[in-house]
Amino acid sequence: AQSVTQLGSHVSVSEGALVLLRCNYSSSVPPYLFWYVQYPNQGLQLLLKYTTGATLVKGINGFEAEFKKSETSFHLTKPSAHMSDAAEYFCAVSSTGANSKLTFGKGITLSVRP
Amino acid sequence: GAGVSQTPSNKVTEKGKYVELRCDPISGHTALYWYRQSLGQGPEFLIYFQGTGAADDSGLPNDRFFAVRPEGSVSTLKIQRTERGDSAVYLCASSLRRAASTDTQYFGPGTRLTVL
Repeated sequence: AQSVTQLGSHVSVSEGALVLLRCNYSSSVPPYLFWYVQYPNQGLQLLLKYTTGATLVKGINGFEAEFKKSETSFHLTKPSAHMSDAAEYFCAVSSTGANSKLTFGKGITLSVRP
Repeated sequence: GAGVSQTPSNKVTEKGKYVELRCDPISGHTALYWYRQSLGQGPEFLIYFQGTGAADDSGLPNDRFFAVRPEGSVSTLKIQRTERGDSAVYLCASSLRRAASTDTQYFGPGTRLTVL
């Protein structure tokens, strides 16, 4: 079985500050890891994903995440927050098997203060 | 190009009624998924189609829930004898290839179901 833990439900940062959203996973097989973003009244949009290869993954809108197997983590970062980054962020895991269903965390709401 | 579309965007029904939720995947995508997102939670997997067949329906909560994809494109999620606990946003996603865990799942905007 797989699971994802996103600690805390809400993160607030000032515009221009570092964004750090934490994600820890549990998986009995090598995982594939994803970050999705959900803007108000919109569908989930993929930010980035880790499958194999380089453990530092770059995504859209200046976001990146690093897969750390020893820490079972896949934290999302952005050096400088922008007002338009305010949204809900979901970390998800799928297995390397044939079933590619996603298991999501509860999500974190990011607020950006002017 | 067109993304995943879902209809209706909102559905209000009374307890005990039957509802159908529709998903139009991206053209050419062979894999289709249904998820359910309750308030304050992340999406939870319901069912996965590969072509016309349900490859994994382990997430369906009980036998009141059923989904079909008769021609390998459009899918319908059907809920019988709705209960207040069924109230949630129902999300549909599609991806390009067969059983490829690396493929990106593209999500629709969801159908918000409210059972009174």
